[in-house]
Amino acid sequence: EAGVAQSPRYKIIEKRQSVAFWCNPISGHATLYWYQQILGQGPKLLIQFQNNGVVDDSQLPKDRFSAERLKGVDSTLKIQPAKLEDSAVYLCASSLGARGRDEQYFGPGTRLTVT
Amino acid sequence: AQKVTQAQTEISVVEKEDVTLDCVYETRDTTYYLFWYKQPPSGELVFLIRRNSFDEQNEISGRYSWNFQKSTSSFNFTITASQVVDSAVYFCALSLYNQGGKLIFGQGTELSVKP
Repeated sequence: EAGVAQSPRYKIIEKRQSVAFWCNPISGHATLYWYQQILGQGPKLLIQFQNNGVVDDSQLPKDRFSAERLKGVDSTLKIQPAKLEDSAVYLCASSLGARGRDEQYFGPGTRLTVT
Repeated sequence: AQKVTQAQTEISVVEKEDVTLDCVYETRDTTYYLFWYKQPPSGELVFLIRRNSFDEQNEISGRYSWNFQKSTSSFNFTITASQVVDSAVYFCALSLYNQGGKLIFGQGTELSVKP
């Protein structure tokens, strides 16, 4: 079974530029998460989708971050414009359901450096 | 509010030593789930274990064991006879039954096992 796929793996941009990350979850997984992991910290949830609807985006900086999940499968996370503090690893995860007990499977992440 | 604390930022041991990683959590909910994930240098978070709040039985899986104590709100992880391949960052995480599955992570403990 293929795991969660993410691209690109690495990205370097200058501040005020825009960037987009892509995630393809495990087939059949209805729930998709985007987490931000700043160096030396644990991942923090940015947004959660159930199929193509948003369940939780309370910690998404909506003035610069946006995300979509078209057709309830792939998802894209965008930052526009980027700030220095956005340098982090962006992790995508998926699970069968949205219950607290559902195991989340993580992708390899996209490491973003903003200069 | 919910919180997970991993007080040990870094631990260094010599191969074959036993090592315990501490995790303390805070929640007022009665139904919740606790997880441990491993993050090797490649960056992908790997699921290790899930426990629900009603099951305080300790669990052993090979060289890994987990001690869950509700009385002290702790969910500690012990590696017996550590190996170099155990070197990674380990995260403890909490999810609530009624919050859609999002994980609240601790800061992580970086374990270094030296030959």
